[in-house]
Amino acid sequence: KQEVTQIPAALSVPEGENLVLNCSFTDSAIYNLQWFRQDPGKGLTSLLLIQSSQREQTSGRLNASLDKSSGRSTLYIAASQPGDSATYLCAVNSGSRLTFGEGTQLTVNP
Amino acid sequence: DAGVIQSPRHEVTEMGQEVTLRCKPISGHDYLFWYRQTMMRGLELLIYFNNNVPIDDSGMPEDRFSAKMPNASFSTLKIQPSEPRDSAVYFCASSFWTGSGEQFFGPGTRLTVL
Repeated sequence: KQEVTQIPAALSVPEGENLVLNCSFTDSAIYNLQWFRQDPGKGLTSLLLIQSSQREQTSGRLNASLDKSSGRSTLYIAASQPGDSATYLCAVNSGSRLTFGEGTQLTVNP
Repeated sequence: DAGVIQSPRHEVTEMGQEVTLRCKPISGHDYLFWYRQTMMRGLELLIYFNNNVPIDDSGMPEDRFSAKMPNASFSTLKIQPSEPRDSAVYFCASSFWTGSGEQFFGPGTRLTVL
């Protein structure tokens, strides 16, 4: 059974800092990995999708990496802004379902 | 495209009542997923459909839950009878292809069962 863990559970940083969120998974037989953002009381917004054959994906200030063999992914956020404050969820697609981590709650202080 | 549409956005009901949640996937998407999010268990897949056919319902908690997809543009998740422990946010998502397709989520329905 796939298990997904995210570290840290919560993170508070001053505006402008670069930061890294971590995601690990137990079964490396995956199709892809998806990073989402969830604002309080809102739905999930897809940020980046990395296919199992890829090593990284970039979108603006976001960069996600994938090391399938070691079961790890990181989400790098450059020059953080207060508007980045949200919960970030990592989800692993094993072919028939997404398995989610518990998320990292990020607060960026002005 | 308007994205995945869910209704209602909020539902408050009393224990024992029937609840029906609705979802309209993104046009052209072959797959539709129902998820539930709670503080205790996080996000869990309940059931998913491919071309309107239920493929995996192993996440459906019990017989009180049922889901249908009568056509490519509409799905329902029904709880009958509802119980307080069903209180959660229910999300619908859709994608082109589950194998490598990006999943797009609706805004969710917040269900409170009193």
